[in-house]
Amino acid sequence: AQTVTQSQPEMSVQEAETVTLSCTYDTSESDYYLFWYKQPPSRQMILVIRQEAYKQQNATENRFSVNFQKAAKSFSLKISDSQLGDAAMYFCAYRSAGGNKLVFGAGTILRVKS
Amino acid sequence: ETGVTQTPRHLVMGMTNKKSLKCEQHLGHNAMYWYKQSAKKPLELMFVYNFKEQTENNSVPSRFSPECPNSSHLFLHLHTLQPEDSALYLCASSQAREGTDTQYFGPGTRLTVL
Repeated sequence: AQTVTQSQPEMSVQEAETVTLSCTYDTSESDYYLFWYKQPPSRQMILVIRQEAYKQQNATENRFSVNFQKAAKSFSLKISDSQLGDAAMYFCAYRSAGGNKLVFGAGTILRVKS
Repeated sequence: ETGVTQTPRHLVMGMTNKKSLKCEQHLGHNAMYWYKQSAKKPLELMFVYNFKEQTENNSVPSRFSPECPNSSHLFLHLHTLQPEDSALYLCASSQAREGTDTQYFGPGTRLTVL
């Protein structure tokens, strides 16, 4: 069974600075998808960014980018120019290419200081 | 209405009550999901419906009964719940078997069982 590990329960970043959230996963599959979701205090789960495992190029969405290291089974999220609105719980998730079941990590709380 | 909606947003019920949670997606998706989010635990997948057929039941107790009358609506019927069932219940939808099959989430129902 696949597992997703987020080793940082909490992280803090100063406004306008850069922060990296860590995620590792365990799988024997070669084809899969990885996601980062954001859950602000409103509890609405919002997709931040996604990565197809067969793509070597790291995904980027505006201030959000990932460092996908397939061999190391690592999928970190970098947030540049952090804003107060980035404060939330961030979840890393894995999905097999052949299924639609998402496996989530435990989450990392990100605090943004002004 | 856009995206995924859930009603009610908050629900308090006694252990002998019967209630239902409703989810509606306006994205034209063909798969719908129920997740449970308890404090300090990763999101747990409960049920998956593909094309109105239940394809996954993640060992969920029978006091939770899902219903998917069409591809846009998903219900979770609750009866004789326990206090440990208090949690945030999230609904999601996706276009299964297409590309990254990204799941989009509703705002959740905060359930408290007394």
